[in-house]
Amino acid sequence: GQQVMQIPQYQHVQEGEDFTTYCNSSTTLSNIQWYKQRPGGHPVFLIQLVKSGEVKKQKRLTFQFGEAKKNSSLHITATQTTDVGTYFCAGPRTTDSWGKLQFGAGTQVVVTP
Amino acid sequence: DSGVTQTPKHLITATGQRVTLRCSPRSGDLSVYWYQQSLDQGLQFLIQYYNGEERAKGNILERFSAQQFPDLHSELNLSSLELGDSALYFCASSARLTGNYGYTFGSGTRLTVV
Repeated sequence: GQQVMQIPQYQHVQEGEDFTTYCNSSTTLSNIQWYKQRPGGHPVFLIQLVKSGEVKKQKRLTFQFGEAKKNSSLHITATQTTDVGTYFCAGPRTTDSWGKLQFGAGTQVVVTP
Repeated sequence: DSGVTQTPKHLITATGQRVTLRCSPRSGDLSVYWYQQSLDQGLQFLIQYYNGEERAKGNILERFSAQQFPDLHSELNLSSLELGDSALYFCASSARLTGNYGYTFGSGTRLTVV
């Protein structure tokens, strides 16, 4: 079945540095969504990408959807302590008419002041 | 407050017992999804309901069942509980039938089986 893989599993970042987390699917996705879960919290929807090659920015966060719609990336610039949490990518399979989301295992981000 | 309400927030119960987790979706959302989150398994899809009907099933054990009521709230029933069922159980809702729109998650129910 479809698998959504995320790397790295853990990311230790010095405050002020940039980092990128990657998401890869074994099948084509109709869209890719990103969620953030703060420690002790619940996943919160960040953004959705639909078009091949699409790039969207939210302040210091840049999201990209691959040309083949099988991979995505999240780049954070000038990391702040508020960026701490686990970032999940998720996508429904194009063959799944009901569109339930398949979540990656997440990238846990720790920020060192 | 995300608009999705889950109760209870915490639940401690013994092995072999049965519990019911409750979810009220965001106003206007017809789809309800249940996910299980444990340390080593990430967010695992359990089941989806849309407007009262079951629409998709994931890796949900036979000991688990769910339903969505006419007022759209949903309940997840877990029976014959085992230690391995200890996890965070999230409910999420969305406006549409498909997964092509962002989910709104509730704050979760932390289940501890002792």
